Amino acid sequence: EDQVTQSPEALRLQEGESSSLNCSYTVSGLRGLFWYRQDPGKGPEFLFTLYSAGEEKEKERLKATLTKKESFLHITAPKPEDSATYLCAVRGGSNYKLTFGKGTLLTVNP
Amino acid sequence: KAGVTQTPRYLIKTRGQQVTLSCSPISGHRSVSWYQQTPGQGLQFLFEYFSETQRNKGNFPGRFSGRQFSNSRSEMNVSTLELGDSALYLCASSPEMTGSTEAFFGQGTRLTVV
Repeated sequence: EDQVTQSPEALRLQEGESSSLNCSYTVSGLRGLFWYRQDPGKGPEFLFTLYSAGEEKEKERLKATLTKKESFLHITAPKPEDSATYLCAVRGGSNYKLTFGKGTLLTVNP
Repeated sequence: KAGVTQTPRYLIKTRGQQVTLSCSPISGHRSVSWYQQTPGQGLQFLFEYFSETQRNKGNFPGRFSGRQFSNSRSEMNVSTLELGDSALYLCASSPEMTGSTEAFFGQGTRLTVV
């Protein structure tokens, strides 16, 4: 069964203090690894899809990378508006469902 | 382009009642999936529909059911509600049913069972 573990559960940063979130996964035949951002009371907002080890994607202050066992979401010089829960999910094999991690709650203080 | 629309946004139901939630996918998307989100369990997969057929089902009791219509709109139904069914129910749509296609989520329906 596919498994996704995210760490840390919560991260508090000062504005401008760069850091990384981790997503470790176990999946049979990775078809895609997805990062989402979720604000309180709202649905997850799609950020990135990564398909194969070595792939990198960037969007504003966010950069996602992928290895065969884990993915990192790097946040460079974060701002308070980057505060949210960041979710990682995988799709694998012939089962098309998304398996999510529990998420990392990021708080950026001004 | 309009996003995924879920209705209603909020619901309060009494234990033992049943409820129907609605999801309109992004125009042109044919795959619709449903998830339950709770603070303790996170996002858990309920089921996925493609071309009016259920293709995948998660580990939920038979009280949870769904369907998809010819216009790709989907409904999920929960019968004999229990207190533990209180959650945010999320619908996601994808253009097609392939493993590499990203899913776009709606704002969810917040169900409270009292």
